Amino acid sequence: GQNIDQPTEMTATEGAIVQINCTYQTSGFNGLFWYQQHAGEAPTFLSYNVLDGLEEKGRFSSFLSRSKGYSYLLLKELQMKDSASYLCAPLDSNYQLIWGAGTKLIIKP
Amino acid sequence: GAGVSQSPRYKVAKRGQDVALRCDPISGHVSLFWYQQALGQGPEFLTYFQNEAQLDKSGLPSDRFFAERPEGSVSTLKIQRTQQEDSAVYLCASSLVSRELFFGSGTQLSVL
Repeated sequence: GQNIDQPTEMTATEGAIVQINCTYQTSGFNGLFWYQQHAGEAPTFLSYNVLDGLEEKGRFSSFLSRSKGYSYLLLKELQMKDSASYLCAPLDSNYQLIWGAGTKLIIKP
Repeated sequence: GAGVSQSPRYKVAKRGQDVALRCDPISGHVSLFWYQQALGQGPEFLTYFQNEAQLDKSGLPSDRFFAERPEGSVSTLKIQRTQQEDSAVYLCASSLVSRELFFGSGTQLSVL
């Protein structure tokens, strides 16, 4: 079957660094997306990894290990506006996104 | 338009009523997806179009759900005889190729 595993909720302090882990099992694999979703809003694209390694984009970085079925999203210099849900979504062999429930990140001052 | 547009933004329906939700994707985007998102959950796949062809409808929860995209642009998700369990946010997303998805703001459906 297809499965995504992320922590349900994480708490971090403004200005700190947080790493959100994701493990996945899919029928085939064509890359992995991370999306950010604020409460009551639609998801917005953060990153896409298809090869192993780290992709850095400003304060956000995303890592992928295909052999381990593992990815993480690293957020640096946390800001209050980063409080949101972060969704890990691998792309399966049919190019369909497989969504987990996401990780709710709470930033405290 | 500049982004994916969905209407209505909010819809309240009486149980048993039929509803139609509209999605206007980004111009030229070939792929169009519909998702259902319950509160606190990730989006659940409903159906996928490539141009006017509905390639995958495996996520539609029952035969009360029907989606179409007759001219390969605007899509409509229809729910017949709505039930309370249909209450959710319905998200539409489009993409140029099967990569980054651009989401609309969603339609929040409440069935009373």
